[in-house]
Amino acid sequence: GAGVSQSPRYKVAKRGQDVALRCDPISGHVSLFWYQQALGQGPEFLTYFQNEAQLDKSGLPSDRFFAERPEGSVSTLKIQRTQQEDSAVYLCASSFTGRGETQYFGPGTRLLVL
Amino acid sequence: GENVEQHPSTLSVQEGDSAVIKCTYSDSASNYFPWYKQELGKRPQLIIDIRSNVGEKKDQRIAVTLNKTAKHFSLHITETQPEDSAVYFCAASVQGGNEKLTFGTGTRLTIIP
Repeated sequence: GAGVSQSPRYKVAKRGQDVALRCDPISGHVSLFWYQQALGQGPEFLTYFQNEAQLDKSGLPSDRFFAERPEGSVSTLKIQRTQQEDSAVYLCASSFTGRGETQYFGPGTRLLVL
Repeated sequence: GENVEQHPSTLSVQEGDSAVIKCTYSDSASNYFPWYKQELGKRPQLIIDIRSNVGEKKDQRIAVTLNKTAKHFSLHITETQPEDSAVYFCAASVQGGNEKLTFGTGTRLTIIP
């Protein structure tokens, strides 16, 4: 079946602009995760949903970052008033139940803030 | 919170030789340890994982070992091939807890033909 998909794949934003990044998890997957991967680094956890409930948002770096999953499927990560330090690859992952299951990653959205 | 350290950061081996990448973790509650392979510009892909109730797991040319007492785990790739060249990440999480993966900083593996 189809894997995790993300859009857009690339996004260039001017500093101060708002951006919205979309994640389509594997159909039927209950859990959804967002990670941020800076150049040359490992992914870092941002936030976690189980169905529509956001169970952990401890990794969101500031209140400019907001994530939602209103119907328990597609998720959107929104970054307000983007800063240069927000430039990174944003990865989405999903798992069937989130309890001891493999996390499958999407291809990521590469965000460049100028 | 959990801290995962990974070594080496770069590794070059001759084709056909073995490669070993090592990781340590800090949180004794961690019980799930996956390894991901990431090719340039691509998504991380799971290659093998191990849970804390076993000490070793093997899948063809790839094996992972876990030492819970010492809080370290290792990836072993035997008979390396050019297509093994990539960045490898180890990770740790508490399954049944918050589920989030804490990743190491990655190892860039280059296989020399």
